[in-house]
Parts: sequence; structure tokens; C-alpha cells
Amino acid sequence: DTEVTQTPKHLVMGMTNKKSLKCEQHMGHRAMYWYKQKAKKPPELMFVYSYEKLSINESVPSRFSPECPNSSLLNLHLHALQPEDSALYLCASSQAGRGAFDTIYFGEGSWLTVV
Amino acid sequence: DAKTTQPPSMDCAEGRAANLPCNHSTISGNEYVYWYRQIHSQGPQYIIHGLKNNETNEMASLIITEDRKSSTLILPHATLRDTAVYYCAHSGGGADGLTFGKGTHLIIQP
Repeated sequence: DTEVTQTPKHLVMGMTNKKSLKCEQHMGHRAMYWYKQKAKKPPELMFVYSYEKLSINESVPSRFSPECPNSSLLNLHLHALQPEDSALYLCASSQAGRGAFDTIYFGEGSWLTVV
Repeated sequence: DAKTTQPPSMDCAEGRAANLPCNHSTISGNEYVYWYRQIHSQGPQYIIHGLKNNETNEMASLIITEDRKSSTLILPHATLRDTAVYYCAHSGGGADGLTFGKGTHLIIQP
């Protein structure tokens, strides 16, 4: 079972709101990822958690705040977003084989619209 | 960081083999080549990966040139359900994450 579950599937928020995107996997994977995808563009890496520690932050603005409460859960906290942040946010996970080949499995994504 | 280039779109007749090229001329020696596809903006679906050797699985074949500067994804008998955006990507593995090319929109014609 290669399933990464993301909630909510759709979110509309105002620029002053605080909201969160949630991601869960039960494959025993130790790496989890957030990607952002704008329309007709490829996914772009935002954050990587490896063994529950933030290992990669691709210079993402502080209005995006990731959190990894445990090895199965990944959150993305959103605050004071701009309309240009509207996008598909993809969560992914992998075994984190420390240098070996590592298949990354994606969830279906959360569609975010900032108004 | 390696850069990948892909044609923006391709057509293929149903039942024929679809050959999707990818250029990754600056890929590092330890970086894997991955292929994913994405249908109707769902999450990307893993297809296949390789490092140096050609690979085949139940979905596709991957041909990597000896100098590793380019690769070709082959869908041997394309069906209408294979219409999607196909991404070539690379990664050093071990939770490095994937860096995607811009993708090829493959349209399978009946």
C-alpha cells in the first residue's frame, strides 16, 4: 500500500487567515516532503524532513511553517499568505535510504486558493 | 544542480510505442534519473528510475545513454489512459528530494 493522504483537498483562505495543511503516511517512511506546484509548472521542492528533523528548506518565505509531529505526520502551517501563493501543495514520503535509491510517493495534493 | 530539458508536448497513436526524451547533460555521477507522470493535476505517479543501466518494469522501459547525458522513457503500447504530463527528474537519493524537468504533455490519439 503506497498511500500518502492529504487534507483538505481544497482550501480557500483570506490573506489574514491562519490555516494548516495535513499529510499522513503509514508506510514506515522516514522522509517527508512538501512541494508546491503552480498551474502548468512542475512541482518545486519546499521542505524535507528526514527522521523528523528539517533537513532541507528551499528558501521558503516564513509565512509557510512546516511541522513534523511524528514520523507519520507532516503539517504545513499557513499565515498571512498572498494571492500568488495559490497553488497545488503536494506532500510526499520515502524510505530515506541515506544515499541509496529512494522512491518518492506523492499524495493527491491540496488545492489552495488565497483571496 | 543538474538541469533537465524535455519537449513540451508529443503526440502518439494508440497502440504504438511512445518514446519520451529527456536531456540531463549536467547530471552528477551519483544522481538517479526518475520518471513520473501526472494526470489531471493529481499527485505525480512514479513510473521508473535508473542510474546507469537500462531498466524495465510493468509500466515502461528506461534507456539511459552511456554518457548519462540523456534518457528515453518508452511506453511500449500506449493507450488513451496514458495521456498525461510526463516528468523527467533527478535526485541524489537518501531524502534529497526530486528536481523535476518542465514535463512533456503526451497526447495519445485514437
